Amino acid sequence: DAGITQSPRHKVTETGTPVTLRCHQTENHRYMYWYRQDPGHGLRLIHYSYGVKDTDKGEVSDGYSVSRSKTEDFLLTLESATSSQTSVYFCAISTEGRVYGYTFGSGTRLTVV
Amino acid sequence: TQLLEQSPQFLSIQEGENLTVYCNSSSVFSSLQWYRQEPGEGPVLLVTVVTGGEVKKLKRLTFQFGDARKDSSLHITAAQPGDTGLYLCAGILAGGTSYGKLTFGQGTILTVHP
Repeated sequence: DAGITQSPRHKVTETGTPVTLRCHQTENHRYMYWYRQDPGHGLRLIHYSYGVKDTDKGEVSDGYSVSRSKTEDFLLTLESATSSQTSVYFCAISTEGRVYGYTFGSGTRLTVV
Repeated sequence: TQLLEQSPQFLSIQEGENLTVYCNSSSVFSSLQWYRQEPGEGPVLLVTVVTGGEVKKLKRLTFQFGDARKDSSLHITAAQPGDTGLYLCAGILAGGTSYGKLTFGQGTILTVHP
């Protein structure tokens, strides 16, 4: 009953290959986000969605694309993976209103070799 | 340049000591959140503060939002080894349509030794 699940949990891929990470929620929340976490940087927003087929870029969106065809699924695609995209990726969902209640997934550790 | 500057980045203390973590910015936030993260897991929300000057307490943890809504602090009283973890502050910038986008500080790695 986690409410939000990410898959895969770990992945190793080669430079230049496309990679898709999946985020699935069972909470029916409108807002979904993809962040990456790197040492010394905290979490940085890659892309976010405010509804089905409504997405926009965050602060570190270069080299990434997203899709949201259903409320429950938010996909993050690395078009052509590079070593600089080695990171831990977190998906989050949020309730609406003045106080946004965030729930994060457990993360995907991606290594690009 | 980090929009939210969190300090210190590392904190190593003995059980029973008190500590404070700071989160500072030159920007105004409509709300500010504090998270705790353990290895291999996602951040877990501890508290949200929305009003300038607001103080919230969660057992031994006290959170404060600055009067101007540009800074926040987390104070832990009588720290315990179970408090060990990464603490993150994050805020939603005031003004405009935010869509709930969070800006994070760099994080504070807290280690409490028995």
